Amino acid sequence: QQQVKQSPQSLIVQKGGISIINCAYENTAFDYFPWYQQFPGKGPALLIAIRPDVSEKKEGRFTISFNKSAKQFSLHIMDSQPGDSATYFCAAHNQAGTALIFGKGTTLSVSS
Amino acid sequence: GAVVSQHPSWVICKSGTSVKIECRSLDFQATTMFWYRQFPKQSLMLMATSNEGSKATYEQGVEKDKFLINHASLTLSTLTVTSAHPEDSSFYICSATQYRDIYNEQFFGPGTRLTVL
Repeated sequence: QQQVKQSPQSLIVQKGGISIINCAYENTAFDYFPWYQQFPGKGPALLIAIRPDVSEKKEGRFTISFNKSAKQFSLHIMDSQPGDSATYFCAAHNQAGTALIFGKGTTLSVSS
Repeated sequence: GAVVSQHPSWVICKSGTSVKIECRSLDFQATTMFWYRQFPKQSLMLMATSNEGSKATYEQGVEKDKFLINHASLTLSTLTVTSAHPEDSSFYICSATQYRDIYNEQFFGPGTRLTVL
């Protein structure tokens, strides 16, 4: 069964710290791995995405690390800010199909 | 670019009535749109895949007669919750795909909060 397992379920980080969220997948046919950020009462917003031919992608304070052999990828938020407090979802996509498979989400709280 | 809108943003209705939710891609054409349902503090659950000009494909366990989906144009898909009941109360989110840099990226609407009394 296609699954994306996400951990931790919740995370509390001090302002200025590094937030790390991990995801693991099973289906080797997945070829696109986006991260979404969702604030309460809003739709998810695409944050950053990576392809399996790249081991790391950085955009500002957000970095995805990708380990193809381990079938794992993670989101690192550097210099975490209170405004980063939200729920983060990892996802995986198979070009042969079109639907995203989502992780269960991580609620991040950044204390000031 | 890649903006998706939903209307209404929230709706309250009486049990037994039908509610229509619109999803529009504002600045691009979307051959495929998706409808998701999200319960509080949970992940997004895919309900159906909507392709322009064809019947929607529903996920297992989703009643197609209950949740009617119409994708009449490349920029508009609608979800109608028929004979709504309190258990249909949820946050409904649509997304639309845009082909970018060899991948179909999904962009989400802001969601519609449905409350059935």
